[in-house]
Amino acid sequence: EVQLVESGGGLVQPGGSLRLSCAASKFTFSNYWMGWVRQAPGKGLEWVANIKHDGSEKYYVDSVKGRFTISRDNPKSSVYLQMNSLRDGDTAVYYCARWIVAHGGFDYWGQGTLVTVSS
Amino acid sequence: EIVLTQSPATLSLSPGERATLSCRASQSVSSSLVWYQQKPGQAPRLLIYDASNRAAGIPDRFSGSGSGTDFTLTISSLEPEDFAVYYCQQRNNWYTFGQGTKLEIK
Repeated sequence: EVQLVESGGGLVQPGGSLRLSCAASKFTFSNYWMGWVRQAPGKGLEWVANIKHDGSEKYYVDSVKGRFTISRDNPKSSVYLQMNSLRDGDTAVYYCARWIVAHGGFDYWGQGTLVTVSS
Repeated sequence: EIVLTQSPATLSLSPGERATLSCRASQSVSSSLVWYQQKPGQAPRLLIYDASNRAAGIPDRFSGSGSGTDFTLTISSLEPEDFAVYYCQQRNNWYTFGQGTKLEIK
C-alpha cells in the first residue's frame, strides 16, 4: 500500500520559515506528480502546490506564490515544501498527496503535519 | 477562479437512507470533478473522479453524476462508516475545493 509520511511541522513566528518533508514509499515515486494540500483548523481543503514527476514544472496557489517553494528528490522518494515569510493565515494541517494527471485528483494522502504560525 | 458551492452544508440522515449531495461550479468544469470523503482526524480519501468513476476499492453504493456546472454524489444506502464530511474538487482551472458537506447521523 502506498505510504506518504510528512514531517517538519511545528510552531513558528510570523515572518519565519519552515521546511516540510514528505517521504514516499511502496510506489515508483519518479513516475508521479506530487502535491501539497492544506486545511486550516475546522475549515475546508485548499490546494497549495504541485510538482511534475521530474521537477520541471511547479504550480502554486496565488496566496503562496513567491513565499513557498515545492521541490523533490526522486532518488530519496521525497517531496518538500519550503515555506518562507509565514503568516497567521498559513496555519493549517499540511497534507502531502499523490496527484493523478489523468483525472486531476489526489489518490493517496499522508496523515498531515500541523503548522502553527503565531507569536 | 472557479468557485465550487456544496449543498447542503449539513445533511442529517439515518443508516439505510439514501444521501444526495450537490456540488455546483461557478463556470463549466466539463466532467473534471472529484469527490473525497474525510473523517475526523483523518486525511481525505478519494471516492470519485471524472465526475462518475469510482476510485479503487470504493463500494458501489457510492456514485457520482453530472457535468458542466452541476454534480451529485449519491450514497444509495448509508452505512455507519459513511458519516463524514464530503468535498468536491475541480481541476479544470487550477484546483479548487468546495467548502464541504457534513453528513451526520440523525
